[in-house]
Amino acid sequence: GQQVMQIPQYQHVQEGEDFTTYCNSSTTLSNIQWYKQRPGGHPVFLIQLVKSGEVKKQKRLTFQFGEAKKNSSLHITATQTTDVGTYFCAGPSGYGGSQGNLIFGKGTKLSVKP
Amino acid sequence: EAQVTQNPRYLITVTGKKLTVTCSQNMNHEYMSWYRQDPGLGLRQIYYSMNVEVTDKGDVPEGYKVSRKEKRNFPLILESPSPNQTSLYFCASSLRQGSYEQYFGPGTRLTVT
Repeated sequence: GQQVMQIPQYQHVQEGEDFTTYCNSSTTLSNIQWYKQRPGGHPVFLIQLVKSGEVKKQKRLTFQFGEAKKNSSLHITATQTTDVGTYFCAGPSGYGGSQGNLIFGKGTKLSVKP
Repeated sequence: EAQVTQNPRYLITVTGKKLTVTCSQNMNHEYMSWYRQDPGLGLRQIYYSMNVEVTDKGDVPEGYKVSRKEKRNFPLILESPSPNQTSLYFCASSLRQGSYEQYFGPGTRLTVT
């Protein structure tokens, strides 16, 4: 079945360093979503990318959707301790008018050393 | 305030004792879903519902039941809990199935001894 894979599983960085997590789908996605889960919290929606090659920014976070719409990345510039948490990507199964449930990657857990 | 609520937040129970975890949303969403989260396994979908009286199995439905009698509520039922159901459970809702932002509840930490 359709799979969404994320790497790395864990990332430890020094505060101020950059961080990137990558998401790869086994099939073409109609869109991709990113969520953040703080320690002890629940996943919270960050953003959705829809267009091939789309790049969106939220302050220090840059999200990119691949040209083939099968991969995506989240890059954080100059990490801060508030960035700590697990970042998930998710894409709907199916495509176009027959989209199904969201399939989540296993997440990348980011820790930041002050 | 738009939100998804779950109760209880924490539960310790014994094997075989039936339990229900409630989930409610106030956003008039059609789609609701239950996930379990285990270390290294990410979020795995248990059951989902596309609307009232419409439910279907997710990836890991064994040992669970759900119902959707009202649009706002989507309880998760464990008829005979076992230790392998010890996990963190999240309820989520979205406007519809597919490409819509999902709103997650705060989670229920379940321990079955």
